[in-house]
Amino acid sequence: EVQLVESGGGLVQPGRSLKLSCAASGFTFSNYYMAWVRQAPKKGLEWVATISTSGSRTYYPDSVKGRFTISRDNAKSSLYLQMNSLKSEDTATYYCARRAVGVMDAWGQGASVTVSS
Amino acid sequence: IQLTQSPSLLSASVGDRVTLSCKGSQNINNYLAWYQQKLGEAPKLLIYNTNSLQTGIPSRFSGSGSGTDYTLTISSLQPEDVATYFCYQYNNGLTFGSGTKLEIK
Repeated sequence: EVQLVESGGGLVQPGRSLKLSCAASGFTFSNYYMAWVRQAPKKGLEWVATISTSGSRTYYPDSVKGRFTISRDNAKSSLYLQMNSLKSEDTATYYCARRAVGVMDAWGQGASVTVSS
Repeated sequence: IQLTQSPSLLSASVGDRVTLSCKGSQNINNYLAWYQQKLGEAPKLLIYNTNSLQTGIPSRFSGSGSGTDYTLTISSLQPEDVATYFCYQYNNGLTFGSGTKLEIK
């Protein structure tokens, strides 16, 4: 069974940093692109980052480019999201997701991030 | 590409045929998927590539469309279908629609 388990969320002050982790199991992690998607409270979904199988290629929307960094450790079947210079508008639930055929076909349960002073 | 979903809220009765709409600001070339999100849960993939049913999804769900206009149809609404439904395009960038909340009348 495919499982994605996020951790590392919490309350952080504006301008500070936070790193999310996602532990994957039930599939060959190194064979898949992976992504982060976020959802602000009572709002829609927003793609945040994608990383290639080897980690050599990363993609971001303009809203987080230069502040967020996605990375992976295939030996540990783990995905990460380093978030710097956090803003109040980054407050959201962050989902780790597996990408297959262009779509996110498996999702974790989400990690809550609150940016507030 | 921006996605516009309609309606934003839909109330229907059990057994009804329900149709949800998603319209793109540009041609999506059939790279369109649908997700179901129940309250407090992560999104679940229902349909990809416009009309391909994800493994394990009931056959009452179906997708159609082309160009800029796409549709998710539930042939016979069940109580467990209460959720918010998001469309998602992966033709040019990655964007989600704002969602349609589906309720039982």
